[in-house]
Formats: sequence, C-alpha cells, structure tokens
Amino acid sequence: EADIYQTPRYLVIGTGKKITLECSQTMGHDKMYWYQQDPGMELHLIHYSYGVNSTEKGDLSSESTVSRIRTEHFPLTLESARPSHTSQYLCASSEGQGLGYSNQPQHFGDGTRLSIL
Amino acid sequence: GESVGLHLPTLSVQEGDNSIINCAYSNSASDYFIWYKQESGKGPQFIIDIRSNMDKRQGQRVTVLLNKTVKHLSLQIAATQPGDSAVYFCAENYNDMRFGAGTRLTVKP
Repeated sequence: EADIYQTPRYLVIGTGKKITLECSQTMGHDKMYWYQQDPGMELHLIHYSYGVNSTEKGDLSSESTVSRIRTEHFPLTLESARPSHTSQYLCASSEGQGLGYSNQPQHFGDGTRLSIL
Repeated sequence: GESVGLHLPTLSVQEGDNSIINCAYSNSASDYFIWYKQESGKGPQFIIDIRSNMDKRQGQRVTVLLNKTVKHLSLQIAATQPGDSAVYFCAENYNDMRFGAGTRLTVKP
C-alpha cells in the first residue's frame, strides 16, 4: 500500500474563503502531482513538482497554487474559493528523479471532496 | 490531438466470469501504460503496468495486453468477484501521463 495522505477528506465551505488542501507522502518520492476529478470523469492534472522548490502548472487551468518546501509535503491553496472550484482533488506521488515524467506508477491519496457554497 | 479513451463507459459481468476492459490510445510514441482501479470514495489504485517493449503482462488474476499496431490496451480480469466492482482507468505516458475517462465495472452476483 502506498503511504500518501490527504486532509481533509471532505470540506464544505462558503465562497470567498481561503482553503489549503494538505498532501503528505512518506515514501520519499521526489515527484508529486495534483489532479482535479469530477464524478465519473477523467483526471485532469493541475499542478506537479519534480522536487523541493520545483512547481509547475498542469494542463488544466486552475486558480490554485502549490508549494514544495519539503519533499514529503505538497499543499494546494485556493486564495478565494468559488462554486466553480467544487470538485474532487487527488494528490499523487511517484518514484523517479529529474525533469519529465518517469515510467513509474503514480500512487494516489484518497482525495479531498470540496464543495463551495 | 492525442487522447486516451475507453471503448465502453460501463461493463456488467456475472460473478465468476472473465472481464475485459478496453482502452484506445492515440500517441504511438507512448512507452508506458498503467491500469488503475478506483473504488467509490477512494483514489485510483495501481493494478498493473506494461512497457511498450512488451505485448503481455500478467499479475494476480489480471492480464494486460498491448497491441501497438492498433494502439489498443486491454485489461483482463479472471474470475471476476464482487470486490472488482469499480471504475477502471487506463493511462499512457510519453512526455506526460494521460488518463482516460474510465469504465465502470459492475459484477452481478
């Protein structure tokens, strides 16, 4: 079993609030990712990191930001939540070093289901 | 554009039967493929992977077949059990990882 944890699991919050979704992994993986997934739909990459102090935007435009100060921690922040941000957010990590995707499976957390009222 | 897609959005099988879930990919340069299982309320769970230098790979009750000629990937589940009910995603990797929309597998008792 992969050791990657996301908190909170569920969050219902009002418009305009600042939100931070937490993601931590204990596998020492350099590569980490954030995906957005609507129910029954495919995963869309919104952010990724190749290691400490490395962050990149993914394919799907997102108003969120990420940081990577420590290897094990990759939090995602929404400065001002809106109803359009309602979705499930999945964090993942994988082995491999350096730039580019490695041919290694990504290990996922169980996600944060976010609802913005 | 490049895409990963699944032929069928839903699949229903009888318990004990074999299941076959299909996936089409467009990027002939993709060199690594993964199947994930996602149960309700959980994140995707790695099932099996295959690299482009292989045609077939077997795991416990699962087999992945790769046909590079027609850019087709399939997941075979032997003796399907109720616990196999989930959404199954394929993913392909070249410069980045692309996920398909998923097939929902329902196992009837």
